[in-house]
Amino acid sequence: GQQVMQIPQYQHVQEGEDFTTYCNSSTTLSNIQWYKQRPGGHPVFLIQLVKSGEVKKQKRLTFQFGEAKKNSSLHITATQTTDVGTYFCAGGTSYDKVIFGPGTSLSVIP
Amino acid sequence: DGGITQSPKYLFRKEGQNVTLSCEQNLNHDAMYWYRQDPGQGLRLIYYSQIVNDFQKGDIAEGYSVSREKKESFPLTVTSAQKNPTAFYLCASSIAWLGGFGTTDTQYFGPGTRLTVL
Repeated sequence: GQQVMQIPQYQHVQEGEDFTTYCNSSTTLSNIQWYKQRPGGHPVFLIQLVKSGEVKKQKRLTFQFGEAKKNSSLHITATQTTDVGTYFCAGGTSYDKVIFGPGTSLSVIP
Repeated sequence: DGGITQSPKYLFRKEGQNVTLSCEQNLNHDAMYWYRQDPGQGLRLIYYSQIVNDFQKGDIAEGYSVSREKKESFPLTVTSAQKNPTAFYLCASSIAWLGGFGTTDTQYFGPGTRLTVL
């Protein structure tokens, strides 16, 4: 079946270092969404990308959708302790379903 | 204050008992969803409802049941047939099932219910 994978599963960084998580789909996606879940919390929507090769920025966060619409990345510049949490990508399929990746858990060491 | 609520936050039940998790939204959203999250894992879709009085099975529907009699309510029952029910359950809603123009509607999540079966 259709799968969405994310790497790495865990990432520990020193505060101020950059962080990147990658999302890969087994099939072409109609769109990609990114969510953040703080420890003990619930997922919160960050952004949606729809166009091939699209790049969007939110302050220190840069989101990219691959040309083939099968992969995406989230890059955080100069991480802060407030960035701690699990980042999920969610791929929209041609059947208008959303498939969540397993997430990347980010720890930031002060 | 608009939003999506789930209650209770923590729930304990004995093995073999059915239990119903509450999910209410006042966002006037048509679509609602139930997900299960296990430690270190992503979200797995249990059931979803595109509109009131209609719902479909997700990827892991066995041992669960839902109803959608009201637009704002989408309760989930975890039955005794669910072999491993201990998990974190998240309810979500979106304006509509179809986002249009290749988009998928943003899902708004409730705070979750952590179910432990003893």
